[in-house]
Amino acid sequence: GAVVSQHPSRVICKSGTSVKIECRSLDFQATTMFWYRQFPKQSLMLMATSNEGSKATYEQGVEKDKFLINHASLTLSTLTVTSAHPEDSSFYICSAGAGRGEQYFGPGTRLTVT
Amino acid sequence: GDSVTQMEGPVTLSEEAFLTINCTYTATGYPSLFWYVQYPGEGLQLLLKATKADDKGSNKGFEATYRKETTSFHLEKGSVQVSDSAVYFCALSSSGGYQKVTFGTGTKLQVIP
Repeated sequence: GAVVSQHPSRVICKSGTSVKIECRSLDFQATTMFWYRQFPKQSLMLMATSNEGSKATYEQGVEKDKFLINHASLTLSTLTVTSAHPEDSSFYICSAGAGRGEQYFGPGTRLTVT
Repeated sequence: GDSVTQMEGPVTLSEEAFLTINCTYTATGYPSLFWYVQYPGEGLQLLLKATKADDKGSNKGFEATYRKETTSFHLEKGSVQVSDSAVYFCALSSSGGYQKVTFGTGTKLQVIP
């Protein structure tokens, strides 16, 4: 199947700083990418849908000013957690849409805010 | 709205035991159904899928049949291995072309030697 990468795989940052996470589709062009957040022992929570060249669509309850999403090309989407706080610590996973509901997932990024 | 209900885990089985993880769904129209697997410390991987009623998805010895009459997509494997230990997510994508996927809460499977 298609390969989706994320960088970094792990990041530790201090409270109040911003962190950028990259999501790349390595061998196909993805017009739609998704960002999820996964809490321990829980399912994935969709945060936003990112469409190339347009503004992201955020799910209810997700702060768009805190979680900035940019999808500047067909192979790259970025999630920036601004002014991070300890409660933002989580596992963030991106995916690229492959049509008919199938998605290719990245390996995830573990964010720890101290 | 769309929803997916999975049996709660964790499920602990001995190697070579038979596995069933139940999944039922609620959706409008004719959704596509998926099972994703997440190994420890990794992202999700598509395990199998079915796009219409009575379809059977299969991969790596796992099977699931799309049952519209019971709105179910139960995951089965005849003989599990230690390497199958992971979290399994049932998911659906509603018809209409939009790619949004709704996930179940996941079921952790632990296979012991």
